[in-house]
Amino acid sequence: AQKITQTQPGMFVQEKEAVTLDCTYDTSDPSYGLFWYKQPSSGEMIFLIYQGSYDQQNATEGRYSLNFQKARKSANLVISASQLGDSAMYFCAMRETYNNNDMRFGAGTRLTVKP
Amino acid sequence: GAGVSQTPSNKVTEKGKYVELRCDPISGHTALYWYRQSLGQGPEFLIYFQGTGAADDSGLPNDRFFAVRPEGSVSTLKIQRTERGDSAVYLCASSFGGGLQETQYFGPGTRLLVL
Repeated sequence: AQKITQTQPGMFVQEKEAVTLDCTYDTSDPSYGLFWYKQPSSGEMIFLIYQGSYDQQNATEGRYSLNFQKARKSANLVISASQLGDSAMYFCAMRETYNNNDMRFGAGTRLTVKP
Repeated sequence: GAGVSQTPSNKVTEKGKYVELRCDPISGHTALYWYRQSLGQGPEFLIYFQGTGAADDSGLPNDRFFAVRPEGSVSTLKIQRTERGDSAVYLCASSFGGGLQETQYFGPGTRLLVL
């Protein structure tokens, strides 16, 4: 069964605008962690932001914020003030306490920032 | 402060050959992970080391795949009798510990092509 679903294979955004990348997940574990990674064309996975299932507030890291809606099992990434360098693949991932060494990734969303 | 390094960056081999892929984690990181990323997909978990031992090898696709980490730092992923379907980018990641919230830092990957 697919644990992480990213329904947007590709997204376009105008430079300086905000964009939301969708992620939904499936788990019965009450304790889990959600991650977003960026993968530029160079191939390296870059950690962006983390949200724990028990965190009361949505995570924020600079221009990145995570819109965490626990009841809906969604963890959308919001990038504000998009820059040309934000063009990359973005992956949502989850780890579960009962299996906390197995990071499961979604299929990714390719973001293109237009000048 | 060096990040995770992987060698070689590219490897071309013939079907049936044996290959070794090397990963140097961030100094002091006890947890090390191997992933495989096929074209157009997210990384797929292969194996997780905590120190010298393989804590979880449930992601290894079959017995042609094996990994070691004899001194708790450098790890080698070994693939015997390679098949064309093994062609992918093999990513290594390390983290300070294996906890749920621990951020995994990825290397640049080894791109394996089996002809």
